[in-house]
Amino acid sequence: GQQVMQIPQYQHVQEGEDFTTYCNSSTTLSNIQWYKQRPGGHPVFLIQLVKSGEVKKQKRLTFQFGEAKKNSSLHITATQTTDVGTYFCAAPTQGGSEKLVFGKGTKLTVNP
Amino acid sequence: DTAVSQTPKYLVTQMGNDKSIKCEQNLGHDTMYWYKQDSKKFLKIMFSYNNKELIINETVPNRFSPKSPDKAHLNLHINSLELGDSAVYFCASSRDRGRTDTQYFGPGTRLTVL
Repeated sequence: GQQVMQIPQYQHVQEGEDFTTYCNSSTTLSNIQWYKQRPGGHPVFLIQLVKSGEVKKQKRLTFQFGEAKKNSSLHITATQTTDVGTYFCAAPTQGGSEKLVFGKGTKLTVNP
Repeated sequence: DTAVSQTPKYLVTQMGNDKSIKCEQNLGHDTMYWYKQDSKKFLKIMFSYNNKELIINETVPNRFSPKSPDKAHLNLHINSLELGDSAVYFCASSRDRGRTDTQYFGPGTRLTVL
């Protein structure tokens, strides 16, 4: 079935450093969603990208959707301790049942 | 007001027991889901209901049986619990079943099978 590959699996940074997580698919995606899960918490929707080459910003977070709509990235500038958590990308499957397939997530830890 | 709520938050039980997890959403959404998150944080969909109708049923042992009495509620009953069932179970809802519909997750139920 469709898979969304996400890398890296873990990332440890010093506070103030930048962070990027990447998602890749072998098939063209209709859209991609990003979620954040704080330690002990539940996934919370961050953003959705739909258009080819789309770039969206939320304060220090920048989300990109590739031109071919097969990859996406989330970049955090100058990380803070509040950014810790696991970041997931998710994309709907093609045809058939409508379900979101989640990447395996990138766990971000920030050293103060 | 909690948008998606689940009970219980924690569930510790012995192998072979039967248990249920309840979920309710007050968002007026038509679609609800059950996800399983294993120890490696991998989120995998188990079931989805749209207006009380089962629309997604992944390869899940038939010991797991979802029930949706109305579109605001989706419960999960698990028979003959096994050690491998230990995980965090998340309920979620979305406005509809469309590809652009984002999902709202409940706080999760941490199930531990001893």
